[in-house]
Amino acid sequence: QQQVKQSPQSLIVQKGGISIINCAYENTAFDYFPWYQQFPGKGPALLIAIRPDVSEKKEGRFTISFNKSAKQFSLHIMDSQPGDSATYFCAAAAGNTPLVFGKGTRLSVIA
Amino acid sequence: EPEVTQTPSHQVTQMGQEVILRCVPISNHLYFYWYRQILGQKVEFLVSFYNNEISEKSEIFDDQFSVERPDGSNFTLKIRSTKLEDSAMYFCASLDRGRGGYTFGSGTRLTVV
Repeated sequence: QQQVKQSPQSLIVQKGGISIINCAYENTAFDYFPWYQQFPGKGPALLIAIRPDVSEKKEGRFTISFNKSAKQFSLHIMDSQPGDSATYFCAAAAGNTPLVFGKGTRLSVIA
Repeated sequence: EPEVTQTPSHQVTQMGQEVILRCVPISNHLYFYWYRQILGQKVEFLVSFYNNEISEKSEIFDDQFSVERPDGSNFTLKIRSTKLEDSAMYFCASLDRGRGGYTFGSGTRLTVV
């Protein structure tokens, strides 16, 4: 019930391509869905987040798509760049409850 | 932009020793959390703290762990008798009252030898 399932585990994308990472959840009480970017040796940094009252949110090259009925949300990185190479975590929370993280996706963008 | 500050960035300790990890959350935030991340694995919740008391804790947060906010600004995680399996990155996070997101510190890498 508390899990967030993330896929794929790793992803290799050509520079300029689109990176897509998917997450699914079970707990319908979740009302906050952030994506975090983590570089080696650093803490997770908030990239973009969405609430269930919208189906899509875009910030620059990063877009979250949210499907409430399917209980799924995804991160799209347009025009992927080598500097985007990092580990990406989806997460979910209900109110002030602790974030539940997915297992992460290691993205490598190759030139 | 406000930051969550964690010290030290790296701590090496002998098995069985006590360690204290320190965090300075964002000043107007009300909810505080500790998470850990074993190398290459996902970020796991340890404990949350609100209104000067623990509000929730995971099964990882056993009697060896404790948290406190000794002076209204610092937020500490103490591990009483460290084990090899406590080696991990420990992240502090804070959350404000509103609809903002959680802000994470850059972590303390704890190595137990």
